[in-house]
Amino acid sequence: QSALTQPASVSGSPGQSITISCTGTSSDVGIYNYVSWYQQHPGKAPKFMIYDVSKRPSGVSNRFSGSKSGNTASLTISGLQAEDEADYYCSSYTRSSTWVFGGGTKLTVL
Amino acid sequence: QLQLQESGPGLAKPSETLSLTCTVSGGSISSSSYYWGWIRQPPGKGLEWIGSMYYSGSTYYNPSLKSRVTMSVDTSKNQLSLELSSVTAADTAVYYCARTPRYYDITTGYRPGQYFDYWGQGTLVTVSS
Repeated sequence: QSALTQPASVSGSPGQSITISCTGTSSDVGIYNYVSWYQQHPGKAPKFMIYDVSKRPSGVSNRFSGSKSGNTASLTISGLQAEDEADYYCSSYTRSSTWVFGGGTKLTVL
Repeated sequence: QLQLQESGPGLAKPSETLSLTCTVSGGSISSSSYYWGWIRQPPGKGLEWIGSMYYSGSTYYNPSLKSRVTMSVDTSKNQLSLELSSVTAADTAVYYCARTPRYYDITTGYRPGQYFDYWGQGTLVTVSS
């Protein structure tokens, strides 16, 4: 199974919105609405941010939102804050009953 | 509050077997609502799913690692274990344990859910002679 494709880095200024893409195939992202997103600060464990493409777990800010079109899922962060600077990973369930992650995207808040 | 804590040797020799334990506190590993999984992250790289397991024995493994991976559960100790055999330098990584909901799929029956909602802090394992 191949990793999902994410941009290596994105950046934005405080208050702006950014979007991180996550491209898979018709065997994972494209066939299921089972995309999740994780935030990881340096030296820390990943934090669960989005599930089932666009649902937010309790306690996650509504500045974080998810969507999907075809084989590509997206994470949008609005009202960018300094604390949002982190690595972000997408994940998807696959047709083979396995789970695949993206390569990660480093978000820099300018 | 659910907590997961990985433990094990921080160093493994090439060709040997890496063994790690994840201790669950604040919840039961025998819960009918969850599977438990292992995910790893090589230094400076992305996440890789290793496998997921239900306490009664149902397992799902990453095909690329399946021949070398064994997961098990000790319900008396509330622990999940991972063994990875024939390790090489490429297995050097931070190893995380995580919880995933148990999901009912009408086509395949019960299986691990689509996300990992609680994670341990991770433990670094270096493979080196």
